[in-house]
Amino acid sequence: DVKVTQSSRYLVKRTGEKVFLECVQDMDHENMFWYRQDPGLGLRLIYFSYDVKMKEKGDIPEGYSVSREKKERFSLILESASTNQTSMYLCASSSNGNTDTQYFGPGTRLTVL
Amino acid sequence: GIQVEQSPPDLILQEGANSTLRCNFSDSVNNLQWFHQNPWGQLINLFYIPSGTKQNGRLSATTVATERYSLLYISSSQTTDSGVYFCAVEVLTGGGNKLTFGTGTQLKVEL
Repeated sequence: DVKVTQSSRYLVKRTGEKVFLECVQDMDHENMFWYRQDPGLGLRLIYFSYDVKMKEKGDIPEGYSVSREKKERFSLILESASTNQTSMYLCASSSNGNTDTQYFGPGTRLTVL
Repeated sequence: GIQVEQSPPDLILQEGANSTLRCNFSDSVNNLQWFHQNPWGQLINLFYIPSGTKQNGRLSATTVATERYSLLYISSSQTTDSGVYFCAVEVLTGGGNKLTFGTGTQLKVEL
């Protein structure tokens, strides 16, 4: 089975802190994604990556950056956390096959105080 | 960008009832997927269905690409069907199967 893991299930941080959310997948997938999920808004794409050291902005990249130094790991970075970044963060991965879906991690619920 | 609308936003069913969830999208898509998010937050793919009809147990899905909509049917619903159902579409962007999600249908199945 494909497994996507995220470093924390729940996280509480203070405004202004630098926050790292880690995601690891074990299926040698080329593509990795970071979403945030908010009530009434569904999932919105923050950043994605097609390959190691490659990154592309999604629909809401402001206030975030990412790092992909190894194929299996994709990190989301909040340089200076703000209260409006309180949300559920979901990581996903997929292969380049035409019929492949995205496999999701369990999510990290981040609260910024 | 492409718009994805789902209806209804909320649905409450008695166990054993049937339901139909709808997804409309505003442009041609490369593929369409249905996901279920359980009450603990885990998202699982249900169907990969850019066109046609597929069935998996009590669930089935139909996508009419020319009319830009997809339907998810749940028959004989069970309490374990509760959660949020998302429709997501992929538009060709040059790689990476980037998905755009709808806002979801929150389903609660009661005894």
